[in-house]
Amino acid sequence: GQSLEQPSEVTAVEGAIVQINCTYQTSGFYGLSWYQQHDGGAPTFLSYNALDGLEETGRFSSFLSRSDSYGYLLLQELQMKDSASYFCAVRDLGDSGNTPLVFGKGTRLSVIA
Amino acid sequence: DAMVIQNPRYQVTQFGKPVTLSCSQTLNHNVMYWYQQKSSQAPKLLFHYYDKDFNNEADTPDNFQSRRPNTSFCFLDIRSPGLGDAAMYLCATSSSSRARAYEQYFGPGTRLTVT
Repeated sequence: GQSLEQPSEVTAVEGAIVQINCTYQTSGFYGLSWYQQHDGGAPTFLSYNALDGLEETGRFSSFLSRSDSYGYLLLQELQMKDSASYFCAVRDLGDSGNTPLVFGKGTRLSVIA
Repeated sequence: DAMVIQNPRYQVTQFGKPVTLSCSQTLNHNVMYWYQQKSSQAPKLLFHYYDKDFNNEADTPDNFQSRRPNTSFCFLDIRSPGLGDAAMYLCATSSSSRARAYEQYFGPGTRLTVT
């Protein structure tokens, strides 16, 4: 089986930096993904880490430590439009195209002025 | 633009009345998924297709079935909807390429109401 833990809610100020953590327990591990979902919208892919380290994509970065079974999503220069739910997700059954993602319960980020 | 399309966006059905939700994609992806998402919860995988190979999650109720007549289309059939089936239903696709399989593309969802 697998389980993912992430905080249920985070609040941060516009312009600040926020980190959303995700810890996982899986029987195997083939990468950690992050998705963003605005209210009423569909999840959209943000980033993927298969190896340890930091991946940067504009204002968003994602980090993975395989030895600690831990990752985080870092959002810089927060904007009001970043208010959304953020899900971490893992693939644990294999590294083929036939291994669906398992999602964490999501972190609701509220950006305030 | 290549995309995942779901119809209808909103569906109201009566308790026990069968309903079908549809999904189409222009991405030519081998893999298609159906998720159920209830308010403030994570998407819950119901099924997925790897080409025509159907994979049913162990805890997906028998009330839910799916069809994939070709690469582009996938349907979710709810045979006898109950009040507990009211949710957002999300269709997603991904490439079967090992290098890209981690990235799923979601449709806008169908919000199902059961009265």
